Amino acid sequence: DAGVIQSPRHEVTEMGQEVTLRCKPISGHDYLFWYRQTMMRGLELLIYFNNNVPIDDSGMPEDRFSAKMPNASFSTLKIQPSEPRDSAVYFCASSLISTGTGELFFGEGSRLTVL
Amino acid sequence: GDSVTQMEGPVTLSEEAFLTINCTYTATGYPSLFWYVQYPGEGLQLLLKATKADDKGSNKGFEATYRKETTSFHLEKGSVQVSDSAVYFCALTTGANSKLTFGKGITLSVRP
Repeated sequence: DAGVIQSPRHEVTEMGQEVTLRCKPISGHDYLFWYRQTMMRGLELLIYFNNNVPIDDSGMPEDRFSAKMPNASFSTLKIQPSEPRDSAVYFCASSLISTGTGELFFGEGSRLTVL
Repeated sequence: GDSVTQMEGPVTLSEEAFLTINCTYTATGYPSLFWYVQYPGEGLQLLLKATKADDKGSNKGFEATYRKETTSFHLEKGSVQVSDSAVYFCALTTGANSKLTFGKGITLSVRP
């Protein structure tokens, strides 16, 4: 079975540019999460969706960040304009609440470097 | 709010050594507890979990017991291998939405 698929795996961009990260969750999963990982702050939950609807975006650092989930099989995280402090690994994860396990399935991450 | 505290790292051990990684938590309600592992260059994956007090989760030789009285979920392994080198995250959820609160993670390096 295909897991959570993220793209790009690596992105290097210059300050001020727009960055779009993409995620395809596991088919049938009803929750989708975006996390950011840095050495200083560890894993931070940015936003999560239930059945394509954003439930909690309190972790989104500022207005430069936005996330969408236009359908059950696709989500994007956009940063515009990007800044060097946005450099991090961004993870997408999905889950199926009906299993009752609470398990999240993570993608391999998108490593973003903003110069 | 909910929080997870892990011991400071990194941890470096020799192969076949005994491993303990401490994890304590603060939660409103009755959490489920998890250990996730992140191998180099990969995403996190579930290692083990426990959903109620005194439950023991186990997988790949790792174990952790849900201790409600001490609000702890320490990870142990009797004999580590080089292949266990990774970052280990303790996490909890109290809701029905799989929203996890993670600890900061600890890096384990195992020397041959």
